[in-house]
Amino acid sequence: ETGVTQSPTHLIKTRGQQVTLRCSSQSGHNTVSWYQQALGQGPQFIFQYYREEENGRGNFPPRFSGLQFPNYSSELNVNALELDDSALYLCASSPGQVNSPLHFGNGTRLTVT
Amino acid sequence: GESVGLHLPTLSVQEGDNSIINCAYSNSASDYFIWYKQESGKGPQFIIDIRSNMDKRQGQRVTVLLNKTVKHLSLQIAATQPGDSAVYFCAENTDQAGTALIFGKGTTLSVSS
Repeated sequence: ETGVTQSPTHLIKTRGQQVTLRCSSQSGHNTVSWYQQALGQGPQFIFQYYREEENGRGNFPPRFSGLQFPNYSSELNVNALELDDSALYLCASSPGQVNSPLHFGNGTRLTVT
Repeated sequence: GESVGLHLPTLSVQEGDNSIINCAYSNSASDYFIWYKQESGKGPQFIIDIRSNMDKRQGQRVTVLLNKTVKHLSLQIAATQPGDSAVYFCAENTDQAGTALIFGKGTTLSVSS
């Protein structure tokens, strides 16, 4: 069984640029969630995708957007990067049942300079 | 507000001791709780979960206790090993649709041999 994989593992961008992060969900999982984890903090919910539709969103501005593809993989896009966007971005997948645990990838470390 | 907190940011134990990591949650409507372990450079790893209709659940070397009266969650690790050294997060699901997890700030467990 393949777990959640994310790419790239590290990324450096300049303020104002745009970035796309990618995630492949665990086999058999149809729901993908994205979280932002600042240094020393717990992950914060960005949004979730189910059947290619956004299925819930946290307190993040519209410049954070996403996509889910028919194979359940997903992208996180961030426009107009700000210094505070520097963080570990985590993707998690789940089988889509209420109250089932999320399975996380190892994240993409984004640094904005 | 809806937040999950932890009583202690760090916990140091000797190898072989039992460890207890505590967590307080604020939303009495939360119905699902999860403990995650995060090692340096990795994503959160699922340890154990519990639903609000239970007060105890056991796994391999781990036990989660839920006290809904005082909104308290704890993770007990038996015979702690150096490999258990990591940051431990509790997370709650306050969304009846099961979309978003709210994480606490984490407890760093250090195990010395």
